[in-house]
Order: sequence, then C-alpha cells, then structure tokens
Amino acid sequence: EAQVTQNPRYLITVTGKKLTVTCSQNMNHEYMSWYRQDPGLGLRQIYYSMNVEVTDKGDVPEGYKVSRKEKRNFPLILESPSPNQTSLYFCASSLKGQGGKLNRSPLHFGNGTRLTVT
Amino acid sequence: QKEVEQNSGPLSVPEGAIASLNCTYSDRGSQSFFWYRQYSGKSPELIMSIYSNGDKEDGRFTAQLNKASQYVSLLIRDSQPSDSATYLCAVNPTGGGGYNKLIFGAGTRLAVHP
Repeated sequence: EAQVTQNPRYLITVTGKKLTVTCSQNMNHEYMSWYRQDPGLGLRQIYYSMNVEVTDKGDVPEGYKVSRKEKRNFPLILESPSPNQTSLYFCASSLKGQGGKLNRSPLHFGNGTRLTVT
Repeated sequence: QKEVEQNSGPLSVPEGAIASLNCTYSDRGSQSFFWYRQYSGKSPELIMSIYSNGDKEDGRFTAQLNKASQYVSLLIRDSQPSDSATYLCAVNPTGGGGYNKLIFGAGTRLAVHP
C-alpha cells in the first residue's frame, strides 16, 4: 500500500531532550516536507527536500533539523526541544516538487505526530 | 496580512444544502490552488485542484478561481454529514522564495447537520 509512515504517533518529552521523528514513504517520491499544525495558524512548513541531500528551509525552521540521506526517509530532529514546539507534526511527500507553473503533484500526508514538550 | 486567508468557521449548513467555502490569497502571481479536506484527528487529503480562472467540477464539488480578485472558493452541493470536516485552502506562491512551497490557510470548519 502506498503510504507515508511517521513514527511515533504520540510523544511526550521534556525540555532539552533531543528527539527524532521518523518519516518514510514507499512511493519513490522526490519531494518530502515537514509541517506543523497549530490551532488558528494552520499548516506551516518547517523544511522540505527536493531529493537526496537537497534540503531547504520552510517558513518556521528555527529549532529543527532534517536530513535526506535516502530518497524514502526524511527524519525531523529537535536537538533541544522547547515547550513552544508542542504541536501536531505532519510529514508529506509528492512525486515532484511543489513549485513550477502548474503544480500537479498532490501532497500525501502521514498520520501525524502529536508532540508535547513539558 | 496572511498569505492565505480563510474564515475559521464553523460554517453550519443543513443536510442537502450547498456549502460555500472561501479563500483569499496575497501573492498575485500564484498559479496553482488546492483544497484539502481534513477530518478531525486525521491527516489532510487533496480533494480539488484548479489552475485557471473559472469553475472546475468534480462530482458534488466545484472549485472556483478568480485571479483578478485573488479569490478561490469551494462549493459542496447536496452536503452530507460525512462532509463535516475542516477544509484547507493551499496556494503555490511565486514571490519571496516561494518556489516549492505550498502555503496553507488555517482552514474552515464545516458542520453539516441532519
């Protein structure tokens, strides 16, 4: 089954304790992205990747790191989590990038990771 | 000004009515526009895309785009309780390093009551 798999689904941690949220897709998609979703603010892009070893900042990259060593995986790393990073996180992928004149690559989302930092 | 704006709702409509969801965007050069549906506790899924001015119909859904007014809307005909969800408008901006970004609005919550 074609899917984007995120783990864990729920995570409670303490301030400053490094954590990684994994994301994997089995559709051979070039583009992968991380979003956070907060009430009233919608989905905001954290980082995205156009292909292996190609990553770029989204709108809210501070406090996050990513890597794309393999095409299928795009982990999100919080080196020193803080309470303001408490949020619902989504990984998404698409066949091609989200740019260009006519974007015909729909985003496929993972099931989300609800992170609480105390 | 937010790049993509939507009324948060909730928009409450009776079963069988037409639900009208609206979205405005700030980047005049934007070329691609999308509606994603998100059920409570679930991830967003694409339901409509539109690229040129006018209407695009798909079953009970119609997307409308007016680039001059920087306005995109989604009409849901014969609304069903199963349509109750949050609808997210998304736009590809072209300015300010917007290439490869998809900007989402905060979403409009739709409630269809029997």
